[in-house]
Amino acid sequence: QQKVQQSPESLIVPEGGMASLNCTSSDRNVDYFWWYRQHSGKSPKMLMSIFSNGEKEEGRFTVHLNKASLHTSLHIRDSQPSDSALYLCAARRNSGTYQRFGTGTKLQVVP
Amino acid sequence: DPKIIQKPKYLVAVTGSEKILICEQYLGHNAMYWYRQSAKKPLEFMFSYSYQKLMDNQTASSRFQPQSSKKNHLDLQITALKPDDSATYFCASSQDTNERLFFGHGTKLSVL
Repeated sequence: QQKVQQSPESLIVPEGGMASLNCTSSDRNVDYFWWYRQHSGKSPKMLMSIFSNGEKEEGRFTVHLNKASLHTSLHIRDSQPSDSALYLCAARRNSGTYQRFGTGTKLQVVP
Repeated sequence: DPKIIQKPKYLVAVTGSEKILICEQYLGHNAMYWYRQSAKKPLEFMFSYSYQKLMDNQTASSRFQPQSSKKNHLDLQITALKPDDSATYFCASSQDTNERLFFGHGTKLSVL
């Protein structure tokens, strides 16, 4: 069973638009969340992390976390074609030693 | 200038053979990992090491054996290769197990 679930599976947004990606952990013992971006043929690179309830903004990227529901979301404003990639959500269990990844959301930004 | 070096970048093997995937990191990190990614499955955790000690193993098969000869090395030996083992194997590291991961470029393994 997939413990880190991401939606949607794929997303197409126009250039300049807003992309919203979701991630939920079905494992109640998760404490840390990360978002990674993986361009085609490349390795994943961390975008943002969030450990506390609330919101965090870095440039065009905003991440939210609701610890009660173990739901995090990533929002990309003013989306650019270079944002087209696979977005991976990762979660770590309390005192765990590794990050478990979701299946990802494939984002395509069209001109 | 890659800080996590994986060798080789591409690898073709025959069914039943054995291969070793190499990983060295020059970030001074204490934790290292192996992940696997294929078209059929998402990025899947395999092993985690901290200070050269095995911390977690989520690989069901004993055909996969990590080897840490030095603090900044974590190789992966795969025996009795099967076509289902075809995937890209990513080595990653982090300062600690609750920190962000840095990934190598991956080794793309094809088993014929």
